[in-house]
Amino acid sequence: KQEVTQIPAALSVPEGENLVLNCSFTDSAIYNLQWFRQDPGKGLTSLLLIQSSQREQTSGRLNASLDKSSGRSTLYIAASQPGDSATYLCAVPRGSNNDMRFGAGTRLTVKP
Amino acid sequence: GAVVSQHPSRVICKSGTSVKIECRSLDFQATTMFWYRQFPKQSLMLMATSNEGSKATYEQGVEKDKFLINHASLTLSTLTVTSAHPEDSSFYICSARERQGWTEAFFGQGTRLTVV
Repeated sequence: KQEVTQIPAALSVPEGENLVLNCSFTDSAIYNLQWFRQDPGKGLTSLLLIQSSQREQTSGRLNASLDKSSGRSTLYIAASQPGDSATYLCAVPRGSNNDMRFGAGTRLTVKP
Repeated sequence: GAVVSQHPSRVICKSGTSVKIECRSLDFQATTMFWYRQFPKQSLMLMATSNEGSKATYEQGVEKDKFLINHASLTLSTLTVTSAHPEDSSFYICSARERQGWTEAFFGQGTRLTVV
């Protein structure tokens, strides 16, 4: 059974800091991994999708890496801004059903 | 990316009534849609898989008679919470993929259901 864990559960940083969010999964036989952002009371916004054959993906100040063999992914946020404050979720496809298994998320607060 | 639209975004209903939530894929067709539930400060948990033209598949512990799912077209799936009770209060969110296979998943805006 695929389990997804995210560390830390919460993170508070001053504006401008670079930061790393961690995601680990127990079953390395994944097709891809996706990072999402969720603002309070809102839906999920897809940030980055990394295919199993890729090691990293970049979008603006965001960089996600994937080490499939060790069951880990990181989301790196450069030069953090208060607008980055949100919950960040990682998820992997679950089995043949093709739904997503989510981590509990990291709640990020960037202080001005 | 593809757009999944969910409506309503927020609903308050009285205990014992039923509430319908719609999930639409706006610019693509989805033979499969997924319904998740999220409790406060917890992650998303799959409730059921909605299949166009056939019965939904429910996860263990999810009552199919309470959470009715209809996927009558390739762009619309509905979740009806029947005889709602306060413990059904939660955040419900749907998802779909633009193409079959292990492609990017897109999510609706979510529906905050409060049963009073």
